[in-house]
Amino acid sequence: NAGVTQTPKFRILKIGQSMTLQCTQDMNHNYMYWYRQDPGMGLKLIYYSVGAGITDKGEVPNGYNVSRSTTEDFPLRLELAAPSQTSVYFCASRPRQGEYEQYFGPGTRLTVT
Amino acid sequence: AQTVTQSQPEMSVQEAETVTLSCTYDTSESNYYLFWYKQPPSRQMILVIRQEAYKQQNATENRFSVNFQKAAKSFSLKISDSQLGDTAMYFCAFNMNRDDKIIFGKGTRLHILP
Repeated sequence: NAGVTQTPKFRILKIGQSMTLQCTQDMNHNYMYWYRQDPGMGLKLIYYSVGAGITDKGEVPNGYNVSRSTTEDFPLRLELAAPSQTSVYFCASRPRQGEYEQYFGPGTRLTVT
Repeated sequence: AQTVTQSQPEMSVQEAETVTLSCTYDTSESNYYLFWYKQPPSRQMILVIRQEAYKQQNATENRFSVNFQKAAKSFSLKISDSQLGDTAMYFCAFNMNRDDKIIFGKGTRLHILP
């Protein structure tokens, strides 16, 4: 199993550009999450999904969109990138209700200039 | 609302020493799960140890152990015989039973000195 994979590893965007951060897991996990981690800080939840076709907002959803058309994939879309979105983005997954350990991807470092 | 507080932003200890990282949390629930995650310079988030609130026995994983004080809402991590590879950011995290979301503390940056 590859676990949780994220692409790209690094990206530089200009203000106003858009991009999609990809996240895929091969563990057949129901739950998937997107977090951002600003320098020296903890993780803030952007969006999460409890299963294909179901998504919900987290603590900091503004400026982002997600979709979950399959169990495996949970892409995060940035529209009109802003410098405030410069951060490291982590995707994570969790098996099912009752199992709470989250498995993290390696992260994507995004810089918006 | 549930909160997780890590009161030590940064710590340094000598290699082979024992170090304890503090974590307190606030909840009115009785069923929940607590975690310590490690984030080394590679950025990868790695689960170190977890504790179910209904278990009175403190969890241990090799050199890592916790001191879980449910009444005090305290969940500290003890690292014994610390190694250079333990240098990392450590996050305490909390998940209520039946909740879909995990709450992270702001982290403690731990430096193990040679």
